[in-house]
Amino acid sequence: EAQVTQNPRYLITVTGKKLTVTCSQNMNHEYMSWYRQDPGLGLRQIYYSMNVEVTDKGDVPEGYKVSRKEKRNFPLILESPSPNQTSLYFCASSPRQGSGELFFGEGSRLTVL
Amino acid sequence: SQKIEQNSEALNIQEGKTATLTCNYTNYSPAYLQWYRQDPGRGPVFLLLIRENEKEKRKERLKVTFDTTLKQSLFHITASQPADSATYLCAPGPELTDSWGKLQFGAGTQVVVTP
Repeated sequence: EAQVTQNPRYLITVTGKKLTVTCSQNMNHEYMSWYRQDPGLGLRQIYYSMNVEVTDKGDVPEGYKVSRKEKRNFPLILESPSPNQTSLYFCASSPRQGSGELFFGEGSRLTVL
Repeated sequence: SQKIEQNSEALNIQEGKTATLTCNYTNYSPAYLQWYRQDPGRGPVFLLLIRENEKEKRKERLKVTFDTTLKQSLFHITASQPADSATYLCAPGPELTDSWGKLQFGAGTQVVVTP
């Protein structure tokens, strides 16, 4: 089954404790992206990757890191999480440049205390 | 800066009627515009994409229009059903001269269809 898989789905952590949210897609998509969703603000793009070893900042990259060492994986790293990073995170992928359509994962709900 | 506006008030509609949602954008000219559906606690699901040279696009009971002069897209759900209840997000694509990788979303409009 074609899918984008995120882990963990739910996480409660404390300020400053490094964490990684993994994202994996099995569709051989070139493009992957991370979004956060907060009430009233909608989806905001954090980082995106056009292909392996190619990443770029979205609208809200501060406090986050990403890497794209393999085509299928695009982990989101929070080196020192803070309470303002409490949010619902979505990973998405798309077949190729210009195709537009995004396939989203089921989301990872993160709470930073 | 680029701005995307969708009606934040929920749209309550009776089953069988047509729901019409609006997406307005400012300060840029997207090469295409997408609409997604999102159910509570789930990831958005792609519905339709319309390009700047297309005026209208249809998919089953869904219809999207794209007016590049007004900088507006309308999303219609005809013969609405309770199963259409969800939040609908618009996502104007980047301009042709921008990085294709950047894709912004509106905050979404919730649709509630009552029997």
